[in-house]
Amino acid sequence: KAGVTQTPRYLIKTRGQQVTLSCSPISGHRSVSWYQQTPGQGLQFLFEYFSETQRNKGNFPGRFSGRQFSNSRSEMNVSTLELGDSALYLCASSLASGSGNTIYFGEGSWLTVV
Amino acid sequence: SQQGEEDPQALSIQEGENATMNCSYKTSINNLQWYRQNSGRGLVHLILIRSNEREKHSGRLRVTLDTSKKSSSLLITASRAADTASYFCATDRTGNQFYFGTGTSLTVIP
Repeated sequence: KAGVTQTPRYLIKTRGQQVTLSCSPISGHRSVSWYQQTPGQGLQFLFEYFSETQRNKGNFPGRFSGRQFSNSRSEMNVSTLELGDSALYLCASSLASGSGNTIYFGEGSWLTVV
Repeated sequence: SQQGEEDPQALSIQEGENATMNCSYKTSINNLQWYRQNSGRGLVHLILIRSNEREKHSGRLRVTLDTSKKSSSLLITASRAADTASYFCATDRTGNQFYFGTGTSLTVIP
């Protein structure tokens, strides 16, 4: 069974640009969540989608948005990029939304903003 | 802000020794999970312990949970060089919104 797939793996963007990251969950998983990992802040929750609906949202500015498609694939978008957005963005999927679920992570997308 | 703190921040041991890392968290939880992350890679799930459980084993891993102290520990027995990684605890309160600790960087010296 294929794991969580994230694309692209590496990208470099310029301040002010926008970026879209893609995530394909494990087959059959309907929940997709996104995390940002930086050396300073560690792993921080961005948002979770389940059945195309945003279930939870972390404490990030509105420049960070996401969506989920009917096939459970998800995208996250960051607009007006800032240097501080440089990070490893991790997508995770699980069968369901709710407490007690194990989430399975992809390898991440490394974003560098210059 | 992060929910948990791991202790120690870094740990270096010889192959074959046991490694113990601790996690403390701030609020009540439903479950606590441990993950491993190799440098620059995604996180790999190791074990889940529910709030009504006190101890759980999986292979060379042993996890304990003390909800009264809001703490958990992960013991890796008979460590191997391949265990070199960062280890994170994660707690959940609502849905799949996990709060991760700061991580313990484990180095196992062959």
